[in-house]
Amino acid sequence: KAGVTQTPRYLIKTRGQQVTLSCSPISGHRSVSWYQQTPGQGLQFLFEYFSETQRNKGNFPGRFSGRQFSNSRSEMNVSTLELGDSALYLCASSLDSGGAMDTQYFGPGTRLTVL
Amino acid sequence: DQQVKQNSPSLSVQEGRISILNCDYTNSMFDYFLWYKKYPAEGPTFLISISSIKDKNEDGRFTVFLNKSAKHLSLHIVPSQPGDSAVYFCAASAGGSNYKLTFGKGTLLTVNP
Repeated sequence: KAGVTQTPRYLIKTRGQQVTLSCSPISGHRSVSWYQQTPGQGLQFLFEYFSETQRNKGNFPGRFSGRQFSNSRSEMNVSTLELGDSALYLCASSLDSGGAMDTQYFGPGTRLTVL
Repeated sequence: DQQVKQNSPSLSVQEGRISILNCDYTNSMFDYFLWYKKYPAEGPTFLISISSIKDKNEDGRFTVFLNKSAKHLSLHIVPSQPGDSAVYFCAASAGGSNYKLTFGKGTLLTVNP
């Protein structure tokens, strides 16, 4: 079974621009979460989507948004990019069977550099 | 406020010996804990988890211990192998939903041949 895929793997943008990152979850997984990893703050939760609805949200400004499509694929968007948005953005998917705790499986990430 | 802390940024161990990675947490609402391993240029890979109703969980060479009263968990790797060299993240979630994980900042484990 294919793992979580993220595109693009690397991206360079300038301040003020906006960016869209894409995530395809493992087949059959219905929940998609996004995380930001920076050297200073570590891995921080951005938001989680399930059935095309944002179900959980972290403490990030409104410039960070996302959506999920009917096939569970997800995109996240960052508008008005700032230098501090340079980070590795990780997507994780899980089954969400509604029963026991699900494991989140991570993609390789998108490395965003803001100049 | 860092709710999950890994106080050792790095750890070096000889091949064949035990590696012990530690993690402390402050949020008493956390009820599910996980360890992930991360190699450079890859996403974190799930290793092992433990629910707060248990105090130990084993999977092959990996064992996680949970001490709820001390709000402390540890990951034991026995025996350590050079391929275990990676950054190890401790993560926690609360309220029966593991979709919002709070991560520690990681410990770089180096296993020397």
